[in-house]
Amino acid sequence: NAGVTQTPKFQVLKTGQSMTLQCAQDMNHEYMSWYRQDPGMGLRLIHYSVGAGITDQGEVPNGYNVSRSTTEDFPLRLLSAAPSQTSVYFCASTESGPGNTIYFGEGSWLTVV
Amino acid sequence: GDSVTQMEGPVTLSEEAFLTINCTYTATGYPSLFWYVQYPGEGLQLLLKATKADDKGSNKGFEATYRKETTSFHLEKGSVQVSDSAVYFCALRVSGTYKYIFGTGTRLKVLA
Repeated sequence: NAGVTQTPKFQVLKTGQSMTLQCAQDMNHEYMSWYRQDPGMGLRLIHYSVGAGITDQGEVPNGYNVSRSTTEDFPLRLLSAAPSQTSVYFCASTESGPGNTIYFGEGSWLTVV
Repeated sequence: GDSVTQMEGPVTLSEEAFLTINCTYTATGYPSLFWYVQYPGEGLQLLLKATKADDKGSNKGFEATYRKETTSFHLEKGSVQVSDSAVYFCALRVSGTYKYIFGTGTRLKVLA
């Protein structure tokens, strides 16, 4: 009963370092997305994908890359970490059909120093 | 563009009090509406949803009715418990897309 699995849960990076947040879902959903959550700002969409091989930018894409080589996996790459990227990151997977429910991972707490 | 506005928190209530968290939206077409709950240190979980006007979503004693005439989807619960302490997010799915828009969240604290 895994749902959406993200790793790591906690990470501290130095400014300029790169890293990848992993995300996998086992529900065979076509649509996946990454959000960041910051105090007082709710959730903001970083990137999304409507299927394998297809990705697009969300509201706040700068400094992040994504790829979607399989239906299951949707990693998020931080190219050169900056303190402004200190946040909680959530991967999500969305079911098809009316009332498309989003299923979220448990979150990744990232601190850039 | 489409947007969601929800009341700012924190909301502090005593156990067994009545809860209302206001949510209004702006949208074109016919969005689906959702309430998500986030417990400390966890991801967001679906609490309830409504896919068309006048639908009522309900779960765990929480209710919300999709009011198209007032563009609202207020969350209510008749008697809150300490275990309801969490952050609540109102959200809409933009009609015809997979795009979701979330409110900024309302923190609820219930005191014993």
